[in-house]
Amino acid sequence: KQEVTQIPAALSVPEGENLVLNCSFTDSAIYNLQWFRQDPGKGLTSLLLIQSSQREQTSGRLNASLDKSSGRSTLYIAASQPGDSATYLCAVRTQGGSEKLVFGKGTKLTVNP
Amino acid sequence: SAVISQKPSRDICQRGTSLTIQCQVDSQVTMMFWYRQQPGQSLTLIATANQGSEATYESGFVIDKFPISRPNLTFSTLTVSNMSPEDSSIYLCSGGGRMNTEAFFGQGTRLTVV
Repeated sequence: KQEVTQIPAALSVPEGENLVLNCSFTDSAIYNLQWFRQDPGKGLTSLLLIQSSQREQTSGRLNASLDKSSGRSTLYIAASQPGDSATYLCAVRTQGGSEKLVFGKGTKLTVNP
Repeated sequence: SAVISQKPSRDICQRGTSLTIQCQVDSQVTMMFWYRQQPGQSLTLIATANQGSEATYESGFVIDKFPISRPNLTFSTLTVSNMSPEDSSIYLCSGGGRMNTEAFFGQGTRLTVV
C-alpha cells in the first residue's frame, strides 16, 4: 500500500528566503508525482507534475525534483513571498490498481513579511 | 488543462438531510474522482466515478452513504446522504486522463453539518 509522507508539517520563514519541502513515498512503481497548493478552505491548484522518467520540473520560482528509486521528491521555492503562504501537498499516482492519487498530509508554509 | 466547476462552494445543512454536489468539466475527461478532506487532514479518495456505470468505492465508503452519478464524460454528482456532524468536510472533485496525465481539481465544497 502506497504511503506518502511530507516533512516538515509546518514551516515559517521570513520573506525572501529560499526553502525546500520534502516528500517521500514507499512504493517506487509510480506513473508520476504532482505538487499542489491549497489555500485555506479552498480546492487544489496544480503546481508541477513530474513523470516517473523525469528528474525535475521548473515553473517560475518553483523547482521540483524526483528520485524515484529512493522514493523522494523535493519542492524548492526561491525568494519566498507572503503570497506563497499556503499548504503544499504532494501526491503520487501508483501503477496498477485504480490509478488513484495518494496524498501526503501536506506542509503548511507561512512566509512572514 | 481542463477547468472544473463545482457547486455549491459551501453549505450548512441539518443532520439527517442529504446534499448533492455537482462537478462540471469544460472538456471530456476519462477519469473523475471524488475526495473528502476532513478538518486538518489530507485528501482521502471516496470513489472513482465511472461513466454510465456504478462508481468504484474505496474501503470505508459505501454507495448508500455516498451515491455517485456520472451520466457523461463531463459531469458527475456526489450525494452525501443522511448527514451527521462527522460528515463536515471539504469535498473535492478531480478529473484527468489515465496514468501519466495531470490531475486537476475543482474549488471544493465546504460542508458543515449542524
